[in-house]
Amino acid sequence: EDKVVQSPLSLVVHEGDTVTLNCSYEVTNFRSLLWYKQEKKAPTFLFMLTSSGIEKKSGRLSSILDKKELFSILNITATQTGDSAVYLCAVVTYKYIFGTGTRLKVLA
Amino acid sequence: NAGVTQTPKFQVLKTGQSMTLQCAQDMNHEYMSWYRQDPGMGLRLIHYSVGAGITDQGEVPNGYNVSRSTTEDFPLRLLSAAPSQTSVYFCASSRGGQGDGQPQHFGDGTRLSIL
Repeated sequence: EDKVVQSPLSLVVHEGDTVTLNCSYEVTNFRSLLWYKQEKKAPTFLFMLTSSGIEKKSGRLSSILDKKELFSILNITATQTGDSAVYLCAVVTYKYIFGTGTRLKVLA
Repeated sequence: NAGVTQTPKFQVLKTGQSMTLQCAQDMNHEYMSWYRQDPGMGLRLIHYSVGAGITDQGEVPNGYNVSRSTTEDFPLRLLSAAPSQTSVYFCASSRGGQGDGQPQHFGDGTRLSIL
């Protein structure tokens, strides 16, 4: 059975800290891995990863995929209170399989 | 530029009632899906569709029906509401067909309470 596991489940840090969120998976017919940020409403798309070793960056956020070891990480540097959210990882096969998410709280 | 539109935003039902959650997208996306989100459970796939006339079950399909008569619309029907169906429901769509791998666009969700 396909599965996606995220860790940690929750995390509390102070502004300025760097955080690393993990997503491991076991699926057949891998197509891509997606990262989303969810605040109060709908998830918003952050990154799509399809190839190993190519780092995707957007400002203070970056992500990388390891297709051999079957995991991805999402890094956030110099965290701000606005980064507080649930971060979701999804692996796409012929459908979208989501992890349970990591709840990040950034304290001022 | 509407994207994915879900209605209603909130709904309270009594046990045993039926209702339809509406989802429409204006991006001509082939792939659409319904999720429920419960505390600590992430997004769980209920049903999905890879194009008009084609639907399939996800992880938690029991108690729900879907149909896809047009590319734009993908309604979710609760046949006989149960308290266990209290949840936040999200509809999502993506371009391309099955196995495309592209990110999904989400609606704002419907918060449903069953008494």
